[in-house]
Amino acid sequence: GENVEQHPSTLSVQEGDSAVIKCTYSDSASNYFPWYKQELGKRPQLIIDIRSNVGEKKDQRIAVTLNKTAKHFSLHITETQPEDSAVYFCAARSGTYKYIFGTGTRLKVLA
Amino acid sequence: DGGITQSPKYLFRKEGQNVTLSCEQNLNHDAMYWYRQDPGQGLRLIYYSQIVNDFQKGDIAEGYSVSREKKESFPLTVTSAQKNPTAFYLCASSKTGTANTEAFFGQGTRLTVV
Repeated sequence: GENVEQHPSTLSVQEGDSAVIKCTYSDSASNYFPWYKQELGKRPQLIIDIRSNVGEKKDQRIAVTLNKTAKHFSLHITETQPEDSAVYFCAARSGTYKYIFGTGTRLKVLA
Repeated sequence: DGGITQSPKYLFRKEGQNVTLSCEQNLNHDAMYWYRQDPGQGLRLIYYSQIVNDFQKGDIAEGYSVSREKKESFPLTVTSAQKNPTAFYLCASSKTGTANTEAFFGQGTRLTVV
């Protein structure tokens, strides 16, 4: 069945350093890949997304890359700040409009 | 104010009772979803619906039921058959069609069964 693997499960970085989170999907029909940030007790909120016809997208300190051949996509956060600390989820959406989420990465930015 | 609303925010029930979680959206989205989130874990899909009067099972549908009688509403019933119902439940909605767009989430319902 459809599956999204996400690594690492936890990540600690010093403030100002970069953070990278990687995901792999199994369904080759997936065509949309959003990333969500979830703060404790809150709802997940979209931070960036990428469509299957694009290889890279950047929004200020956040960037996402997609390798369709390898079925990999990654989130890159540069110049991390304490407020970046949260749980991050990747997801893949197939043609049936079903979103499959990764298991999450808990990012801690140390001041 | 457009959005997706879940109620209640916290819910307590006795073991063996059925309970229904509400999810309403005024975003005119065709697709709606229910996810379960356990501490330190990801979002697991319970049920989803692409259109009114139609829905499909997700990965962990056992012990749950849904209905989609109106476009705006997608209630989830946690039945007594669900062996471990205590969790954080998230409802979401999205557009369908050729546009690939994000899923918008409600604020969640934390269900505790005692």
